[in-house]
Amino acid sequence: GQQLNQSPQSMFIQEGEDVSMNCTSSSIFNTWLWYKQDPGEGPVLLIALYKAGELTSNGRLTAQFGITRKDSFLNISASIPSDVGIYFCAGRDNYGQNFVFGPGTRLSVLP
Amino acid sequence: KAGVTQTPRYLIKTRGQQVTLSCSPISGHRSVSWYQQTPGQGLQFLFEYFSETQRNKGNFPGRFSGRQFSNSRSEMNVSTLELGDSALYLCASSLAGTDYNEQFFGPGTRLTVL
Repeated sequence: GQQLNQSPQSMFIQEGEDVSMNCTSSSIFNTWLWYKQDPGEGPVLLIALYKAGELTSNGRLTAQFGITRKDSFLNISASIPSDVGIYFCAGRDNYGQNFVFGPGTRLSVLP
Repeated sequence: KAGVTQTPRYLIKTRGQQVTLSCSPISGHRSVSWYQQTPGQGLQFLFEYFSETQRNKGNFPGRFSGRQFSNSRSEMNVSTLELGDSALYLCASSLAGTDYNEQFFGPGTRLTVL
């Protein structure tokens, strides 16, 4: 079945630094979603992408739909303590009705 | 607009019991999907309901079932609970479950099976 890989698995950064993480798929997707989850809460949708090459921003967050349609990237600029959490990517292909989720990237921000 | 709500937020059951979880989608959303989240397996898709019909199903045993009502509210039921069913159960709603359709999650129900 479809699988998503996310890297890095976890990262520790200093407050103010920029962050990059990515998500790769074994198959082509037509939709990519990025979520952030805080402990004990449900994932919160950050950015949605629908076209190959699309670049979309949401405040300090920027995500891109890879040209190959098998990957997506999320960047966070000037990180702050509240950016701490687990970031998930989710993708869906032309045939599936449900989204497949990656294992997540755990972000820690050091003051 | 109110977000997705789930009740109860926390639940403790013992093996062999059954449990029913509830999800109210965002107003106007007709699709509700259910996921199981565990540290080891991540987010796993259970099933999706649209217009009171199960439209898609993941790879879970028949002990896991669900339904959707005419107001789009959904319930999921787990019968004969096992220890491994301990997890955060999340529901997500979307407008219609087709193109250009993001899923919005509720806060989840934390189920502990003793």
